Amino acid sequence: DAGVIQSPRHEVTEMGQEVTLRCKPISGHDYLFWYRQTMMRGLELLIYFNNNVPIDDSGMPEDRFSAKMPNASFSTLKIQPSEPRDSAVYFCASSFTSGSKNIQYFGAGTRLSVL
Amino acid sequence: DAKTTQPTSMDCAEGRAANLPCNHSTISGNEYVYWYRQIHSQGPQYIIHGLKNNETNEMASLIITEDRKSSTLILPHATLRDTAVYYCIVRVAGTTDSWGKLQFGAGTQVVVTP
Repeated sequence: DAGVIQSPRHEVTEMGQEVTLRCKPISGHDYLFWYRQTMMRGLELLIYFNNNVPIDDSGMPEDRFSAKMPNASFSTLKIQPSEPRDSAVYFCASSFTSGSKNIQYFGAGTRLSVL
Repeated sequence: DAKTTQPTSMDCAEGRAANLPCNHSTISGNEYVYWYRQIHSQGPQYIIHGLKNNETNEMASLIITEDRKSSTLILPHATLRDTAVYYCIVRVAGTTDSWGKLQFGAGTQVVVTP
């Protein structure tokens, strides 16, 4: 398996533009997570899905952020409109239910720069 | 989930064992200890987890004290590729509401030197 695939790897945009980050989880995994990492706040969980259904979106910073998972093999995180403070590395991760285990497999991340 | 305390940084000589401590004095009986690491510019990577018994896999060993208030991750023969930030995370297993949440702290920056 190729692992969790995120695209694009780098995104540079201007303030006010819409940004869409994409994630393809590992086949067979039933959980998908979106994280954001900054120097100031570290690694933060934004939202996660179970079987394509959003379970907890309490980490989503504000209404400008939205996430969807239309099927088991694809998810998007959208920021509209984007602001400079959204600049960060965004990670997607997936895992599968297996007893006590919660092993999350992370993608390589998308580095977002909002100018 | 219980909070964890880790040293900010530590150095280790290549080829030697690296012992990474983690304090989780408020851990509950149903909470597991997980370790992840993040190599620069990469996503975090799972290393190992345990409940109360010591665990070993191909990457590392996890030693949990009898009272479960602290643990140590051991990298038996550190290499330069082990330079990374190591995160100790405590979380409940098997609870639907919180199953997915991994709360990452600041971690320990480990630098392996030649």
